Amino acid sequence: DAKTTQPPSMDCAEGRAANLPCNHSTISGNEYVYWYRQIHSQGPQYIIHGLKNNETNEMASLIITEDRKSSTLILPHATLRDTAVYYCIGKSGGYQKVTFGTGTKLQVIP
Amino acid sequence: SQTIHQWPATLVQPVGSPLSLECTVEGTSNPNLYWYRQAAGRGLQLLFYSVGIGQISSEVPQNLSASRPQDRQFILSSKKLLLSDSGFYLCAWSVRGMTGGAQLFFGEGSRLTVL
Repeated sequence: DAKTTQPPSMDCAEGRAANLPCNHSTISGNEYVYWYRQIHSQGPQYIIHGLKNNETNEMASLIITEDRKSSTLILPHATLRDTAVYYCIGKSGGYQKVTFGTGTKLQVIP
Repeated sequence: SQTIHQWPATLVQPVGSPLSLECTVEGTSNPNLYWYRQAAGRGLQLLFYSVGIGQISSEVPQNLSASRPQDRQFILSSKKLLLSDSGFYLCAWSVRGMTGGAQLFFGEGSRLTVL
């Protein structure tokens, strides 16, 4: 797995865009970037993943730099329900073992 | 659609007692299955994963064991619980072999308190 680095915590005002960075400078060409979030006392929830191109779904957008050494998860209009720990994972497809780091604790402020 | 069920949701057990947590997945075949643990205020620790019936990989030496008696059933067990086994246990599954193979789907979790 690629080693990922995330800030331990971030704040975001409600209604504003939350931009969560992840550094994965050692990622290899066949490793995808995955994002999950974990709301308190719940299991992690898959958000989005990508390889090279930027991706968007109903939950978020994923921007991957051209050199693939970093990425940013964007929650376009953060709500209080987006307060959670966000995990970034670098992973090859088809590999079974999936480990999580410490993630970024996002606090959305009213 | 695929669903994952995990039980019991909450468990309070004395030290030295046995443990059995069960997880089943519906709506898919040949999934990868996972057990994670999260101690209070801590991150997710991968305990076991399985790519098929009877195939279990253990990630950390511990007081726990896992079994996969059927394709979509994953069981976490202990013969004698320790205080340090307290935590939030999560079962998860993923599609085997796909490029999105790290797209995990988690159960609701089982909160274990050992007294």
